[in-house]
Amino acid sequence: ETTVTQSPASLSVATGEKVTIRCITSTDIDDDMNWYQQKPGEPPKLLISEGNTLRPGVPSRFSSSGYGTDFVFTIENTLSEDVADYYCLQSDNMPYTFGGGTKLEIK
Amino acid sequence: EVQLVESGGGLVKPGGSLKLSCAASGFTFSSYAMSWVRQSPEKRLEWVAEISSGGSYTYYPDTVTGRFTISRDNAKNTLYLEMSSLRSEDTAMYYCARDRSFAYWGQGTLVTVSA
Repeated sequence: ETTVTQSPASLSVATGEKVTIRCITSTDIDDDMNWYQQKPGEPPKLLISEGNTLRPGVPSRFSSSGYGTDFVFTIENTLSEDVADYYCLQSDNMPYTFGGGTKLEIK
Repeated sequence: EVQLVESGGGLVKPGGSLKLSCAASGFTFSSYAMSWVRQSPEKRLEWVAEISSGGSYTYYPDTVTGRFTISRDNAKNTLYLEMSSLRSEDTAMYYCARDRSFAYWGQGTLVTVSA
């Protein structure tokens, strides 16, 4: 089973600042990493799919990079509406496994 | 518009059973693999089952193998999850999700396992 270690568990930034979240996998997953945003009371929303592909309609301030075992999710110019929990998911091999999540707050 | 609507959750005693449903619309249901994903009260996400588009292949993690069964009725555009031998650690919000990247999710149905 591929373990996904996500960091940090929480962070607080001012609007306009850059956010960086990292996921490290215990096995090589090529670029089969996905990133989700979850706001309170809502299901997770897919922002970026395998191959660092931004989903249609998702603002370009969201991006990701990485291949193999080390992956980074970035929000440029963070807005107050970006307050949410963020999760990574590896879909390379079963069982699919999620990171533990990152809670983003705005100062 | 893709829509996934789960139902069937509720309060069940340890050792009990429950069957969840997910009604799909807005896309060709029979063309996509489907999954169930749960989120614990501590907000941890866990994939619990996947079924191929035609229903011939099913996959589970070890935590639910032998207790959960995923199925689908492509004529009714509906996905199911039968859960048995339920434990307190199965308490969670259960979501159905489309395809391997979980591109679309329903709003979820809450399952509580408690005496």
